[in-house]
Amino acid sequence: AQSVTQLDSHVSVSEGTPVLLRCNYSSSYSPSLFWYVQHPNKGLQLLLKYTSAATLVKGINGFEAEFKKSETSFHLTKPSAHMSDAAEYFCVVTLSGGYNKLIFGAGTRLAVHP
Amino acid sequence: GAVVSQHPSRVICKSGTSVKIECRSLDFQATTMFWYRQFPKQSLMLMATSNEGSKATYEQGVEKDKFLINHASLTLSTLTVTSAHPEDSSFYICSASGLQGSTEAFFGQGTRLTVV
Repeated sequence: AQSVTQLDSHVSVSEGTPVLLRCNYSSSYSPSLFWYVQHPNKGLQLLLKYTSAATLVKGINGFEAEFKKSETSFHLTKPSAHMSDAAEYFCVVTLSGGYNKLIFGAGTRLAVHP
Repeated sequence: GAVVSQHPSRVICKSGTSVKIECRSLDFQATTMFWYRQFPKQSLMLMATSNEGSKATYEQGVEKDKFLINHASLTLSTLTVTSAHPEDSSFYICSASGLQGSTEAFFGQGTRLTVV
């Protein structure tokens, strides 16, 4: 069975400093992994996805994530936070290549301070 | 990316009444649509998966007679919350997949349901 654990429920950073949102996964099969962002009362937007190609995945808005099989991790990073990055971020796992069942992590709320 | 439109964005209804939420794929044919529920400060939980023209597949613990899902066309799926109660108050989000050349699922903007 697949599962995903987001290690921090809240992360607070200052504008211009690096962002690190941590995610560990568990999967019996080759997983596909995603990061989604949700702004208040809005739907979800795909930031990036890993589907067994390059382990370092670049996404939109300057975000990237690295798939580390040995650590079963897929942490999301950004070199310099913007105020507009403040939102809820979800790490998601599913069977490789499939979108039928997205298993969501509990989410990490990112706050960005001036 | 493709656009999925969900309507209404907010709805308040009286206990015991039914509410219909629509999910439309505006510029592609959605062969599969998914309905999620999100409680405050919690993650999204998949409620059901629907394929156009067939019955929806519900996740364990989701009452299919209470949450009626219809996917009658390739661009429209509806979720009807029947005999709503205050505990049904939640944020409901749909997603759709089927865009040609992509396996991505695109999300609607969500519907905030409040049952009073």
